[in-house]
Amino acid sequence: LAKTTQPISMDSYEGQEVNITCSHNNIATNDYITWYQQFPSQGPRFIIQGYKTKVTNEVASLFIPADRKSSTLSLPRVSLSDTAVYYCLVGVRWTGNQFYFGTGTSLTVIP
Amino acid sequence: EAGVAQSPRYKIIEKRQSVAFWCNPISGHATLYWYQQILGQGPKLLIQFQNNGVVDDSQLPKDRFSAERLKGVDSTLKIQPAKLEDSAVYLCASSPGTGDSSSGELFFGEGSRLTVL
Repeated sequence: LAKTTQPISMDSYEGQEVNITCSHNNIATNDYITWYQQFPSQGPRFIIQGYKTKVTNEVASLFIPADRKSSTLSLPRVSLSDTAVYYCLVGVRWTGNQFYFGTGTSLTVIP
Repeated sequence: EAGVAQSPRYKIIEKRQSVAFWCNPISGHATLYWYQQILGQGPKLLIQFQNNGVVDDSQLPKDRFSAERLKGVDSTLKIQPAKLEDSAVYLCASSPGTGDSSSGELFFGEGSRLTVL
C-alpha cells in the first residue's frame, strides 16, 4: 500500500499560484494519483486524477514526473474560497478500493 | 442528480450507549465506503462494500462497530458500546464501482458528527 507524504500546512496570498507536492515513493504500476479538497463540515470532494505527465481540468493541474514517485497539485490564482485541506491519494482506481487518506495539507489563502 | 445522503447530521450520546448512522448512496453506485474522521486528521477507511458484499473491513473495530448493506443500496453503521475516542465525523462515500472506465472517484456525503460524553 503506497503511503503519501504532504506538507502539513501552507499559506498563500490571494491571486497567487499554489503548488502542493505529494511524495509517494512506493507507488505501484497500477496506481493512480487522486487529489481531494475538503472544506470544514463537508465531505472531501474530488479535484483531479492522473497516472503520468500532466493533467489539467477547469479547477487545477496535476504534474507527475516520469518516475511517478511524487506529484504536484497546482491551483492557479487562488482565492479565499480555496482555503481548505487538500489530500493526495494513491490507489488502483478500477478495483474501487485502496483509497486511503493521509493527513492532508491545510491551505490558508490570505487576502 | 441527488448526492450521498447521511443521517443524522449530529448525535450526542454518553459512553457505553449505542448509535446508528444511515447512508443512502448515489443511485446506481455499486461501491459504498464508511470513513471515520477524527478532528484534525484525514478520513480513515472503516469498511468498503461492493454491492452487498464486504471488500475491506480490516480497520473496522469489530468488537464494537458493525455495518451492513443488506440489499446492496443503503447502509447502516452501528457502534455499540460507544467509547469517548469514537467522537468523530462518520463519512459515507459511494463510487460507480469497478471497471476500467470507472475513475474510482468517491462521492462523499456531508457526514454524521458523533460526540461521546
